[in-house]
Amino acid sequence: GAGVSQSPRYKVAKRGQDVALRCDPISGHVSLFWYQQALGQGPEFLTYFQNEAQLDKSGLPSDRFFAERPEGSVSTLKIQRTQQEDSAVYLCASSPGGLAGVTYEQYFGPGTRLTVT
Amino acid sequence: KNEVEQSPQNLTAQEGEFITINCSYSVGISALHWLQQHPGGGIVSLFMLSSGKKKHGRLIATINIQEKHSSLHITASHPRDSAVYICAVKNTGNQFYFGTGTSLTVIP
Repeated sequence: GAGVSQSPRYKVAKRGQDVALRCDPISGHVSLFWYQQALGQGPEFLTYFQNEAQLDKSGLPSDRFFAERPEGSVSTLKIQRTQQEDSAVYLCASSPGGLAGVTYEQYFGPGTRLTVT
Repeated sequence: KNEVEQSPQNLTAQEGEFITINCSYSVGISALHWLQQHPGGGIVSLFMLSSGKKKHGRLIATINIQEKHSSLHITASHPRDSAVYICAVKNTGNQFYFGTGTSLTVIP
């Protein structure tokens, strides 16, 4: 079956441009996570959706970062006025999720490598 | 602050060696994950643990909740095991904290 997909796989943006990164989770997965992974570092949590509700956005580094999942499936991470420090791999993961107190496996997408020049 | 610490950061082994990667964490968790990341970024979930021990092929993962420690073992290591191994913990909410990873190279 299809896994988590992300597009584009690579994005080069000039400083100050806005970018939109797309995540297609596994069909039926309730939970969706966005992570930022800088070179040589582990992923860092950005935000979490349960269906269309953004339950946690505490990891978003600034108000230039915005994520949405309007219909509870596809999600978009938008970065406005990109800066060089935004250069990283942005990973999306989904899980069946949803029941309080139950932890599910996460399935990761291949990531989008963003380079801001 | 690092909620999750892994050791070693880098590990080189000869093919066939037994390998151990360690993970210590400081937050209360509901589960711990071991992930494998190959060059190019793809991440695969190897194990999800909340207690005890799990085994899958040549991979074994253990967790000691009281000591806030987990280990990933690879028996009879093979060059195709070369990757970055990442420990991640889920707190009692829905946040995940990741270690910086252990880069493993297995030499034929």
